[in-house]
Amino acid sequence: DIQMTQSPSSLSASVGDRVTITCRASQSVSSYLNWYQQKPGKAPDLLIYAASSLQSGVPSRFSGSGSGTDFTLTISSLQPEDFATYYCQQSYNTPWTFGQGTKVEV
Amino acid sequence: EVQLVESGGGLVQPGRSLRLSCAASGFNFDDYAMHWVRQAPGKGLEWVSGISWNSGRVAYVDSVKGRFTISRDNAKNSLYLEMNSLRAEDTALYYCAKENKLRGVTGFDYWGQGTLVTVSS
Repeated sequence: DIQMTQSPSSLSASVGDRVTITCRASQSVSSYLNWYQQKPGKAPDLLIYAASSLQSGVPSRFSGSGSGTDFTLTISSLQPEDFATYYCQQSYNTPWTFGQGTKVEV
Repeated sequence: EVQLVESGGGLVQPGRSLRLSCAASGFNFDDYAMHWVRQAPGKGLEWVSGISWNSGRVAYVDSVKGRFTISRDNAKNSLYLEMNSLRAEDTALYYCAKENKLRGVTGFDYWGQGTLVTVSS
């Protein structure tokens, strides 16, 4: 199975900050990498697909980059509604696997 | 509007069975693969199982192989997960998720609100 490791596991930030979350795969997943946002008590939402493409309706302050084994999710200017947990997910091979999550806190 | 509504969760004793259902609406259900993803209390996301649009291909995470069976009824716009020989470690919120291939990459673009399965004596 492909292991996905995110860092950091949590971070503290303020409104307006630039935030970067990294995701590393245990083997190359090419660009078969998605990012999700999950708020407490809610289902996850797809933010970024194919490593760098913004899902419809997602604000442009979110961006993704990377390929192979190393990926990043960047929030250019953190907004109050962005405090949540973020997960990467590979869809290169089944079983599809997620990172352990990164909690973005105030 | 796409809607996925899960049902069937509850408290069940170890070793017993449970059947989850997911009712889909707002899209052509038989055009898309569907999946179950679970989240143990306070933990991260774990993909459990997926099924192709015509049920021709199914896949499972190793920890549920031989115990869980995914199925679908396209005439009823419904997805199912039959769970047998349940264990305490199967305790989780189970989400139904719609697959979409975006730029050729499989992602889960719509999720239900989940149904809670608690395995305990």
